[in-house]
Amino acid sequence: GQNIDQPTEMTATEGAIVQINCTYQTSGFNGLFWYQQHAGEAPTFLSYNVLDGLEEKGRFSSFLSRSKGYSYLLLKELQMKDSASYLCAVRPNYGQNFVFGPGTRLSVLP
Amino acid sequence: DTGVSQNPRHKITKRGQNVTFRCDPISEHNRLYWYRQTLGQGPEFLTYFQNEAQLEKSRLLSDRFSAERPKGSFSTLEIQRTEQGDSAMYLCASSIQNTGELFFGEGSRLTVL
Repeated sequence: GQNIDQPTEMTATEGAIVQINCTYQTSGFNGLFWYQQHAGEAPTFLSYNVLDGLEEKGRFSSFLSRSKGYSYLLLKELQMKDSASYLCAVRPNYGQNFVFGPGTRLSVLP
Repeated sequence: DTGVSQNPRHKITKRGQNVTFRCDPISEHNRLYWYRQTLGQGPEFLTYFQNEAQLEKSRLLSDRFSAERPKGSFSTLEIQRTEQGDSAMYLCASSIQNTGELFFGEGSRLTVL
């Protein structure tokens, strides 16, 4: 079976750093993806990890440990516009569909 | 606009009626996906196509749901005999075969009364 877990909600302060965790158990693994979804809008791609380690893209970084079935998304210098849901998704095998987690709703407070 | 386009954006229907949604993917993308999303949840996979071939369909999908992509371009998702539990946002996404990034449309919101 496929199972992806994320915290339901998180709150952080503008300018701070927040880490959103994702654990997964899937029948295979061919990549982990993070998407951002603002309320009422479509998800948009943030990052992709297929090998262990940290991938950095500006204020956002994503980490993967395949042996632990674990990833996190790190957001630095938080801005109010970062208030959104963050979706972790796994592609179990190349060419297959993507399995999404429930999403973490992040609220950034002034 | 060269993004993924979905219509209608909103559909309100009575229980038992049939509805059809259309998705126009980004033109050079050969993979097309349908997902369903309810409030506070992540997208739930329904089905996906590579060109005109439907390669995978969720086992959770009832026989009332059918999707087509007849010429490998646009796709339609039909729901027959709608039920209140079908109320959700139906998201379409497309991608190029050798990349993992999905490009989502704005979605079609279905409300079944």
